[in-house]
Amino acid sequence: ETGVTQSPTHLIKTRGQQVTLRCSSQSGHNTVSWYQQALGQGPQFIFQYYREEENGRGNFPPRFSGLQFPNYSSELNVNALELDDSALYLCASSLNPGQGGETQYFGPGTRLLVL
Amino acid sequence: AQSVAQPEDQVNVAEGNPLTVKCTYSVSGNPYLFWYVQYPNRGLQFLLKYITGDNLVKGSYGFEAEFNKSQTSFHLKKPSALVSDSALYFCAVTPKQGNTPLVFGKGTRLSVIA
Repeated sequence: ETGVTQSPTHLIKTRGQQVTLRCSSQSGHNTVSWYQQALGQGPQFIFQYYREEENGRGNFPPRFSGLQFPNYSSELNVNALELDDSALYLCASSLNPGQGGETQYFGPGTRLLVL
Repeated sequence: AQSVAQPEDQVNVAEGNPLTVKCTYSVSGNPYLFWYVQYPNRGLQFLLKYITGDNLVKGSYGFEAEFNKSQTSFHLKKPSALVSDSALYFCAVTPKQGNTPLVFGKGTRLSVIA
């Protein structure tokens, strides 16, 4: 059973650019959640995808968008990058969206630096 | 809205001594509670969770946590700390009702000194 994988591991962009981060969920998991972890902070929920549909969104602007594919892998897209977008972006997969206290299993993250 | 407080930014403990990392929460209704650990340049690793039943939950690597409803706390404990336990620990909560995402605390850095 493979765990959650993310790519790339590190990324450097400049303000105004666009970025795409990728996540492969753990085998058998149909739900993917994305989090932003700023330096010295806990992860903050961006959005969740369940069976290719957005299934909840945190307090992030529309320039943060996502996709989930039929194999349950997922992408996070950020447009018009700002300096404050510099953070560790974490992807987590689970068997179901959250009912029953489903455990979310995290990938190693993508560290994004915006200059 | 739910929230998590981890009142200590840093906890220092000598190897072999018991450790406690504190967590209090605020949520509407009954909670699901989680502990995760993060090693440098790594993602979060699941340690344990409280769903229902026994207030003492046992998890990975000898860690356990005690759910206290009256004090709205879910402190992480280990009887004997190892140097390899040094890491960043996060407590997270979500209410049982509805599909609400995990809310994390700011984290507590545990340093175990040999």
